[in-house]
Amino acid sequence: SQTIHQWPATLVQPVGSPLSLECTVEGTSNPNLYWYRQAAGRGLQLLFYSVGIGQISSEVPQNLSASRPQDRQFILSSKKLLLSDSGFYLCAWSIGLLTSGANVLTFGAGSRLTVL
Amino acid sequence: SQQGEEDPQALSIQEGENATMNCSYKTSINNLQWYRQNSGRGLVHLILIRSNEREKHSGRLRVTLDTSKKSSSLLITASRAADTASYFCATDSGGGADGLTFGKGTHLIIQP
Repeated sequence: SQTIHQWPATLVQPVGSPLSLECTVEGTSNPNLYWYRQAAGRGLQLLFYSVGIGQISSEVPQNLSASRPQDRQFILSSKKLLLSDSGFYLCAWSIGLLTSGANVLTFGAGSRLTVL
Repeated sequence: SQQGEEDPQALSIQEGENATMNCSYKTSINNLQWYRQNSGRGLVHLILIRSNEREKHSGRLRVTLDTSKKSSSLLITASRAADTASYFCATDSGGGADGLTFGKGTHLIIQP
């Protein structure tokens, strides 16, 4: 069965420090991978998605970047965190439309980032 | 940008009652999905309804879709305390891999 792991679960970082959140998927090949951010009491904002190794699409201009060094690994990074980067970050994967006919997402448990 | 908008933002009912949440969206869709999020956790997919479907059932869940009104509703029958969570609708418009667009969610509280 497929599983998704996301870490760290909780992170408190000072303004200006770097960030690295990691997400890995097991039990599937060539998944579509996603990073979403959820601000307090808000919906989910799509940050990045990837359909393959080294292929990153950015949905919003921001202080963050994403990389996909391996098929089932997705990393969210920042060189210098801002206060506004605080939030709940969720990684997700899907098997894609060709297989299922619909883009159904499976989410990780999330990483809560607090920037002070 | 936000595609779906859930209504109400918060809902509190007694255990055993039915809970109805609504979602409105703006552009044409391929399908609409509902997800559940327990506090501080990731989202879990509940049910998907395609644009050519009007109603779908899964256990105690019933979803309707009205594409002419660009709206959907999620009904949870015979609610339980364990149903307490936030519920989000998500629309899939592009037919590609570019993710889903989520609403802000309805926070449902089931009073025991």
